This record gives sequence, structure tokens and C-alpha cells, in this order.
Amino acid sequence: NAGVTQTPKFRVLKTGQSMTLLCAQDMNHEYMYWYRQDPGMGLRLIHYSVGEGTTAKGEVPDGYNVSRLKKQNFLLGLESAAPSQTSVYFCASSYEDRAKNIQYFGAGTRLSVL
Amino acid sequence: GDSVTQMEGPVTLSEEAFLTINCTYTATGYPSLFWYVQYPGEGLQLLLKATKADDKGSNKGFEATYRKETTSFHLEKGSVQVSDSAVYFCALSPSGGSNYKLTFGKGTLLTVNP
Repeated sequence: NAGVTQTPKFRVLKTGQSMTLLCAQDMNHEYMYWYRQDPGMGLRLIHYSVGEGTTAKGEVPDGYNVSRLKKQNFLLGLESAAPSQTSVYFCASSYEDRAKNIQYFGAGTRLSVL
Repeated sequence: GDSVTQMEGPVTLSEEAFLTINCTYTATGYPSLFWYVQYPGEGLQLLLKATKADDKGSNKGFEATYRKETTSFHLEKGSVQVSDSAVYFCALSPSGGSNYKLTFGKGTLLTVNP
């Protein structure tokens, strides 16, 4: 059982370049999330989705776009990368049922923007 | 808005020492409370949870009790091991509506020396 899989694991970009981070889950979860983790800041929510075809802004959405075309996939895009987007990015997913509201995380993508 | 405050680290202990990591929260109603753990190079994984006042969550020798009167959810372990070295995050999920987003504390780095 793979759980939540993120690709790629590492990436180095130059300022202004674009890229897409892919998150895939095989647990049939309704909800999916993208976080960034920075030293001393904990995890901050970028965008989230409560179902296929829906997305919503989180705490720090600027500079990012997302899409949820298929239930199992949640893509995070950077259209024009900036050094401030150097971070570790985590995807997570969870059931809709509040009683089962445990988020399952991927292993992360470490992104450096030069 | 909702917030989580946890003790700043890093925390360094010797093997078999007693561990306490303090966590307090601000939220309306009765949120669900969680402790997540992040081992080096990995994503977060749920350590334990509590969904109502006076509940005690426990797992792998760790415990935390949901204290509504002090708005706290302190993490404890009686005898830590080297393998417990990790970053620990306290988090809450609000009690109302369909908002299942997690609010995280900034994390506490624990290092256990042999």
C-alpha cells in the first residue's frame, strides 16, 4: 500500500522557471492538501481540495496554483519560481468523515530556487 | 483564529529520561487535538489523537491528555529511546462545519543521546 506519493523528491530551479509537483494517493480520500515547511515556521497550508474538481486557498497561496482533475491526484504548480519558494513541500490526504479525520502525509519534495 | 503554541526546542535528553513537550491551543468549541511526528527525511505521521475533553491519546509509550480547562495537550513519555529522536508537532482540527484543515504548532526537535 503506497499511501501518499510525491514526485519529484528533489528539485533545483532557477528564478523564473516553472514546475509542477505531483501528489498521488491510493486510499480513496476525498480531501487533499499542500503544505510548505520552513525552519521555525512549522507547516503552513498552501491550497487544499475537498473533492475532485474543487480547490481552495489556504494560508499562503500566493505564487502557487493547484488542480484536482482526478480524485487521486493533486498537482501544485509554480508558474514563476522565486527564491522565497525554497522550501520542503508536503502533500497530505484525509477522509471526509470527521471521525476518521487523520491526515496522511507524503515524504516531501525539497525545492531550491536559485 | 485558531492557533497552537508548543514549547520551543531543541530538546536534548539522555536515553531513558522523562519527556514532556508542552502544547496549548486557542480555538472555539471542542477541537480535535493531535500529535504528529516527523522522523529525519520523512513526512509527518500521526502519533496520537484525542477528540474530546479528558480523552487520553496514547501510542508507542507516548501519552497526551486533552485538558479543556487549561486548553492544553502536553506530550509525555516515561523513558525515551534514541529512536524517538524526531520533530514533534502539535495540531488541532476545528470542531464545527466542514473545515477539516489542521493548524500546526511550529514543531519541537527532540534529540535523544545514548
